[in-house]
Amino acid sequence: RKEVEQDPGPFNVPEGATVAFNCTYSNSASQSFFWYRQDCRKEPKLLMSVYSSGNEDGRFTAQLNRASQYISLLIRDSKLSDSATYLCVVNPRYNFNKFYFGSGTKLNVKP
Amino acid sequence: GAGVSQSPSNKVTEKGKDVELRCDPISGHTALYWYRQSLGQGLEFLIYFQGNSAPDKSGLPSDRFSAERTGGSVSTLTIQRTQQEDSAVYLCASSPGLGSSGANVLTFGAGSRLTVL
Repeated sequence: RKEVEQDPGPFNVPEGATVAFNCTYSNSASQSFFWYRQDCRKEPKLLMSVYSSGNEDGRFTAQLNRASQYISLLIRDSKLSDSATYLCVVNPRYNFNKFYFGSGTKLNVKP
Repeated sequence: GAGVSQSPSNKVTEKGKDVELRCDPISGHTALYWYRQSLGQGLEFLIYFQGNSAPDKSGLPSDRFSAERTGGSVSTLTIQRTQQEDSAVYLCASSPGLGSSGANVLTFGAGSRLTVL
C-alpha cells in the first residue's frame, strides 16, 4: 500500500466553482502535512502547510482528519490560473527527513 | 542564492554514458534532497544530506547512482552507465534543516530533464 494516495483526476471544473480534493495517508505516526502545487513541466511549489486545527489562505482551505487519516484541500471561486496538479505531502514523526509525495490530483479550470 | 539552482536544465545522452547533475541550494539551507520524477508519476526520493551527517542514501535505485555534497553546499548527482529507464526529471530541493524555522518546508529547483537514448 502506498504511503500517500490521491485521486489522479482530472477534475474539470468551470471558473468560479468550488472543488475539493482528498488525500489519504497510511502511517498514523505522520507528523506534518503539506499541499504543493505543480504546474506542467515545472517544479513543485509549496501551496500551504496543513495544521491540526485546519487553516485557510485566501480561497484555499486545508483540513486534517487524523482519525480517518486524510487531509483535504478546498478551493473556492476557482480561477483559470488554479489549473495545475496538486500534490499531497506527508512527513512522518519517526523520520524527519522523509517526505512521502502523492502522485497528485490534476485540476483543469475551464472558462 | 535566491532559489535552488540546477544544471543542466536538459541533458540528452546515449545509453552507457555517465552524467552529472548539479544542484546549488538556497544559501544557509543545511538540508538537501534529490528526487526523481518520471513522466506522469509522483516524486521518488533518492538521497538526503543534512549538514555534516552521513547522507541517507536509501532511495538510490542502484549502485550506478551516487551523490556528494561538497562543503555543505553544492551537490552533484552522478549516474554511471546510464540506461533508458533513467530518463526522468531529477529534482533537487533544500530546506533550512533540523532545528530551524520552517525546517521541513522544501524549496525545489526547476529540475534537470534527463533523456537517455
